[in-house]
Amino acid sequence: SAVISQKPSRDICQRGTSLTIQCQVDSQVTMMFWYRQQPGQSLTLIATANQGSEATYESGFVIDKFPISRPNLTFSTLTVSNMSPEDSSIYLCSVEDWTGAVYGYTFGSGTRLTVV
Amino acid sequence: LAKTTQPISMDSYEGQEVNITCSHNNIATNDYITWYQQFPSQGPRFIIQGYKTKVTNEVASLFIPADRKSSTLSLPRVSLSDTAVYYCLVGDILTGGGNKLTFGTGTQLKVEL
Repeated sequence: SAVISQKPSRDICQRGTSLTIQCQVDSQVTMMFWYRQQPGQSLTLIATANQGSEATYESGFVIDKFPISRPNLTFSTLTVSNMSPEDSSIYLCSVEDWTGAVYGYTFGSGTRLTVV
Repeated sequence: LAKTTQPISMDSYEGQEVNITCSHNNIATNDYITWYQQFPSQGPRFIIQGYKTKVTNEVASLFIPADRKSSTLSLPRVSLSDTAVYYCLVGDILTGGGNKLTFGTGTQLKVEL
């Protein structure tokens, strides 16, 4: 299955600033997904990123706040812009993954963001 | 995507079998059932997937009745290291090309000595 490297693993940021999270996959993938997991909560999909096209955002998430880049088939970035304490969450990237006859998703280890 | 309902939390002791049931009453014909495990400070990890009847791998078993409106994840002889959140997801994996997972609340399993 795919291996994902996500950076940074954690950060503490000042409100009003921006943080860019990187996601590197060890194989070429068509789609990459970005999730947010607020403290003690489940995962919520932010957007889907295709190489060569604009990301598709879920309801409640906008490009100005969470711009995404997908320059090639193994890499993507998510930027959390103009941060506020409400943005404190874990952000995770994931990719589709076929292992034999089983279809699933592989996740990065996440970026724990604290906004102060 | 079919909505899922599972218990918020469960407690068990080491060596016991744990069964976590997930309800998905509006599951569609093409939907598969997939379970993920998440430890603190890690991303979810695939455990098992099935369509009907029973599926078993080295980690767990998945039981799916004929009507497929529910499924049960069975963890044999749990240990402390099985303490985690378990998510049940239902979706059409065969469409490919952007099938998105919708995570429910998950079940926090706590295993004690």
